[in-house]
Amino acid sequence: AQSVTQLDSQVPVFEEAPVELRCNYSSSVSVYLFWYVQYPNQGLQLLLKYLSGSTLVKGINGFEAEFNKSQTSFHLRKPSVHISDTAEYFCAVSDSGGYNKLIFGAGTRLAVHP
Amino acid sequence: EAGVAQSPRYKIIEKRQSVAFWCNPISGHATLYWYQQILGQGPKLLIQFQNNGVVDDSQLPKDRFSAERLKGVDSTLKIQPAKLEDSAVYLCASSQQKNTGNTIYFGEGSWLTVV
Repeated sequence: AQSVTQLDSQVPVFEEAPVELRCNYSSSVSVYLFWYVQYPNQGLQLLLKYLSGSTLVKGINGFEAEFNKSQTSFHLRKPSVHISDTAEYFCAVSDSGGYNKLIFGAGTRLAVHP
Repeated sequence: EAGVAQSPRYKIIEKRQSVAFWCNPISGHATLYWYQQILGQGPKLLIQFQNNGVVDDSQLPKDRFSAERLKGVDSTLKIQPAKLEDSAVYLCASSQQKNTGNTIYFGEGSWLTVV
């Protein structure tokens, strides 16, 4: 079975500052990793995913994440945030050999202040 | 391309009443999911369909929840009778195939409040 821990429930940051949202996972099998964003009153939108290959994955809206197998981490980063990045961010994992079933973390609320 | 459509967006019911949510996935997507998202938590998978067959319903409370996808396209999720703890957002999602790694696309959700 897999599980996901998002280490920060809330991250406040000023506009144009860098940000890192932390995600650790636990699994006994090989996994795929995902980050989704949820804007207020909307569904989830895929930011990026790691399936294989380069451990640095680039996504939409200037976000990137790095897969670290030894640390079992998949932290999300952005070098300069905007007010519009204010949202809830979810890290998720799926079994690479199984069905397409996502296990989500509890989420991190990113609040960007002017 | 149209996204995943859900209705109703908002619903308030009293406990022990019933409610039904409808979902129309992205055209051509064979796999359909229903997730439950309780306030302050990440989404939790309730049921996964591949065409009109159930792939995984291990976390569906079958004594009160039911779901169907009769023609392999639209799906309905029903709760009867509702409990206070069923207050949540019910997210429908779809993907082209059930193979892991396929991007899963989510609808905007149906917000349920049970009073």
